[in-house]
Amino acid sequence: DGGITQSPKYLFRKEGQNVTLSCEQNLNHDAMYWYRQDPGQGLRLIYYSQIVNDFQKGDIAEGYSVSREKKESFPLTVTSAQKNPTAFYLCASSPAREPNEQYFGPGTRLTVT
Amino acid sequence: AQRVTQPEKLLSVFKGAPVELKCNYSYSGSPELFWYVQYSRQRLQLLLRHISRESIKGFTADLNKGETSFHLKKPFAQEEDSAMYYCALANTGGFKTIFGAGTRLFVKA
Repeated sequence: DGGITQSPKYLFRKEGQNVTLSCEQNLNHDAMYWYRQDPGQGLRLIYYSQIVNDFQKGDIAEGYSVSREKKESFPLTVTSAQKNPTAFYLCASSPAREPNEQYFGPGTRLTVT
Repeated sequence: AQRVTQPEKLLSVFKGAPVELKCNYSYSGSPELFWYVQYSRQRLQLLLRHISRESIKGFTADLNKGETSFHLKKPFAQEEDSAMYYCALANTGGFKTIFGAGTRLFVKA
């Protein structure tokens, strides 16, 4: 079954703890993305990676970190510095030559209390 | 500032009626415009892009640079069109996509 997987579907953490969200794709896409979605708002870009071992900040990168050690994987760490971490997080990937044809994962809902 | 505005949070129409989901944008360069759709219990997926000039599932969208709009239209709505629709823009070939807040379309029988 091809596509993008995100795990877990729901994640609960205590305030002050870092948490890492998983994103894996087997589409052989070079580019990967992380978005945050809040109620009544569109998706906002956190980080993106055009190629392995390279990534760029999006519009709301503060309090987040990523790594891209493998083409298939783009984990997102929500650090304790992120002031409002509770949100729905979506991962996506695309061919590098078609960055706007993005394929999305099912999302992870993170709740921090 | 680069922005995508979808003025309607919810749009409700009867089956068979025409539907238009509005999208306005502000962008200083030459953007590419897209519509993404999320059906119930499915993932967000690309519906169409302005450069393709194609009709997908009966939907079309024309880029109006003068009015900076990219409204999504369908002449006869179907119940299966009920979904969340997001308008988005990106710079040509760029990796940063800006999404609108979305419009939920509800097609009534």
